[in-house]
Amino acid sequence: DAGVTQSPTHLIKTRGQHVTLRCSPISGHKSVSWYQQVLGQGPQFIFQYYEKEERGRGNFPDRFSARQFPNYSSELNVNALLLGDSALYLCASSQQGNSPLHFGNGTRLTVT
Amino acid sequence: GENVEQHPSTLSVQEGDSAVIKCTYSDSASNYFPWYKQELGKRPQLIIDIRSNVGEKKDQRIAVTLNKTAKHFSLHITETQPEDSAVYFCAASTIKAAGNKLTFGGGTRVLVKP
Repeated sequence: DAGVTQSPTHLIKTRGQHVTLRCSPISGHKSVSWYQQVLGQGPQFIFQYYEKEERGRGNFPDRFSARQFPNYSSELNVNALLLGDSALYLCASSQQGNSPLHFGNGTRLTVT
Repeated sequence: GENVEQHPSTLSVQEGDSAVIKCTYSDSASNYFPWYKQELGKRPQLIIDIRSNVGEKKDQRIAVTLNKTAKHFSLHITETQPEDSAVYFCAASTIKAAGNKLTFGGGTRVLVKP
């Protein structure tokens, strides 16, 4: 079975631009979570979606938004990019909302 | 909110020796404690997890122990091998019916010297 897939793998944006990151969960998984991992730190929770509804939101500004589609894939959108948004953005899926998380390889976002 | 502290930040061991990583958490409601291994440039991989109704869990050379009273849990790797070299993250969460939000520690860089 394919694992969690994320696209793109790398992305370079300029301050003020917006970005959309995409995630496809493991087949059969209904929950998708997004995490931000700054270099040298542990991942930090951004959002969790289960059955297309937001089930949790971390301490991130409103510039960050997400959604989950009927096929359980998900998008993370970030508006008005700041230099500090440069990070590895990880998507994780789980069978149910309360099941163990399995991470994708991430999208490396660089904001210049 | 939950806060997870992880120690040490770096750990160097000789091949064949044991490695121990310790984490403490702040929220007594936390009931799920996974450990992830992240190799350079790769995704975090779940290596073992434990729920609060269990004190210890083993999987081959890896074991995790949990002390709910003291709010700390530890990862033990025995007979370390060079392929165990990676960054290890502990995490804690309060699993609810519809959510599993992980709070991660800062990570431990483990180097196994041959």
